[in-house]
Order: sequence, then structure tokens, then C-alpha cells
Amino acid sequence: QSVLTQPPSVSAAPGQKVTISCSGRSSNIGSDHVSWYQQLPGTAPKLLICENDKRPSGIPDRFSGSKSGTSATLGITGLQTGDEADYYCAVWDRSLSAGVFGGGTKLTVL
Amino acid sequence: EVQVVESGGGLVQPGGSLRLSCAASGFTFSSSWMTWVRQAPGKGLEWVANINEDGNHKFHVDAVRGRFTISRDNPKNSLYLEMNSLRVEDTAVYYCAKGRMTYGMDIWGQGTTVTVSS
Repeated sequence: QSVLTQPPSVSAAPGQKVTISCSGRSSNIGSDHVSWYQQLPGTAPKLLICENDKRPSGIPDRFSGSKSGTSATLGITGLQTGDEADYYCAVWDRSLSAGVFGGGTKLTVL
Repeated sequence: EVQVVESGGGLVQPGGSLRLSCAASGFTFSSSWMTWVRQAPGKGLEWVANINEDGNHKFHVDAVRGRFTISRDNPKNSLYLEMNSLRVEDTAVYYCAKGRMTYGMDIWGQGTTVTVSS
């Protein structure tokens, strides 16, 4: 069981919006920055959001991140079939002195 | 081109050892935290270890602490993961990544596969 809790799956139609939640604790999300990763089938993870809400160069503004207390959220608007992937939240846990990933959320664009 | 390339994976028996390498290029390796992440077949991502710029600060996940050791050679632009006392549950694709959790890991390799089996 992951330290960070994500829904196993979400789905939405092309062009619609979806949000993916990530719930943690005061020792991780509550005290450090959250990042989000996209993993397309058969490929390495890719950084989507860093420091809670910042997009690295080249990431479209359809992707957004936010954090409040011990929870974080990834938002994706204007869904495309190419967005079908697994999405992971990640953060440093000060109690564990280790990094932790959420269990991952599989996005299906219907 | 900014990239990291892993190598050293393979098939090893339980109890055996393996050393993974990660060759970095296109960025200032000596100024970058580096991280190892693994992914067991059909499972999610698991953070394994990270190391600071000069190698003086290292952190390992509980599941590998005492068996795995992260290290780096800055003049060679290389990151390593020494893996001892390997277990079946260590079977995974191992990714090398530039950066650390707090600020995001922005460059990932293609991964190297480690299979622990008799």
C-alpha cells in the first residue's frame, strides 16, 4: 500500500477535463513540494509538474497542479487520446527520509 | 543532448550482486542531485535512492537499505547502484533520473532490467 493515495483509474471523453487526486500526510505533502509524472505505455516516466504547480519547459498548459494541506491535484483539460497513460504523484517524506510515489492512476480517454 | 543512459542490468540468482551504471551527458552532472527509481513488472514506480551533488548525502528506501548503495563519480559523469543480497522482489526496471523529489526529476533514462531468479 502506497504512502500517497491516488485513485486507481479515471476516465473522460476527448476534449473534457479530468482531475487526479493525491492524498498524503503532514510528513510528506504537508511539508514539501509535490511533483507529477506521466508514463506512457512502455516508456520512461516524464516530469509533468514540479514544485506543486510549475510546468517544465515543453509541457502544455493543459496540465496544471495544485496543493492544499496534505493533498495535491493534477488537472488535465482538453483531453486527447495521446494523454492515455499512468500518472504518478511524488514527494519527499521527512519521517521516512525517503521519496514516495503514489500508486498511480490510469487515465482512459474514452 | 541532455540524457542519462543506464546499463548493467541482467539475470542474477537470489543472493547475488549486480552493479548498475548511469552515464550522464549534456548537463553539469556535478551540480545535480541524482536518483534511482524502479518499477516491478506491472507495478507502479518506487523510489530507491538518491545522492546529493558531491556524494556526501545519500538516502535509500527501507526495502534496500543495507543491501544497495548509491554512489557517483563526478569526473566520469557517472552514477552507480551497487546491489547485493538480491531478492526475487528486486526484479524491476531500474531508472536513473536527474534531480530529486523536492524539485522534480526532469531527465530520465530508458531503464535497465534486473531479473532475480533461480
